[in-house]
Amino acid sequence: EDKVVQSPLSLVVHEGDTVTLNCSYEVTNFRSLLWYKQEKKAPTFLFMLTSSGIEKKSGRLSSILDKKELFSILNITATQTGDSAIYLCAVSYNDYKLSFGAGTTVTVRA
Amino acid sequence: NAGVTQTPKFRVLKTGQSMTLLCAQDMNHEYMYWYRQDPGMGLRLIHYSVGEGTTAKGEVPDGYNVSRLKKQNFLLGLESAAPSQTSVYFCASREGYGNTIYFGEGSWLTVV
Repeated sequence: EDKVVQSPLSLVVHEGDTVTLNCSYEVTNFRSLLWYKQEKKAPTFLFMLTSSGIEKKSGRLSSILDKKELFSILNITATQTGDSAIYLCAVSYNDYKLSFGAGTTVTVRA
Repeated sequence: NAGVTQTPKFRVLKTGQSMTLLCAQDMNHEYMYWYRQDPGMGLRLIHYSVGEGTTAKGEVPDGYNVSRLKKQNFLLGLESAAPSQTSVYFCASREGYGNTIYFGEGSWLTVV
């Protein structure tokens, strides 16, 4: 059965801490892995990863994919209260399908 | 620049009533999706479409029907609403499987 698993489900950190979120997957015909940030409403796009070992970076956020071990991590350094959100991982596979993990809820305390 | 638009945004239904959620995109995307989001469960795929006139079942299709008569519109129907269908519904679209997806703002549905 195809699945996408995120861990941890939630965590609480203090401003300035570094956060590492995990996403593992088991799917057929993998195409890409995407990370989204969700606050009050619709998820907003962060990264799309298709190749192993190539880090994508945007400000304090970075992500990398390991297609051999079937996982990705999302790092957030020097966290701020504005980073508090649900972070969603999605995997595109079998051409059309796009499945999401349960998400990781990150709470950053001042 | 509308992107993906969902209507209605909020709705309260009585058990057994029917309703239709409309998703419209103006980006000429081939692929469209309907998800539901419940606390602690992420986004679960209900149905999807890979082009005008085609639809397919996702992970949680029971109790829902869909239609894609026009490329820009993807309709999600509830024939006989149940309290278990209380959820937030998101529509999304993308150009192809190698592309990112764009979400609508969400539709909050409560079934009492």
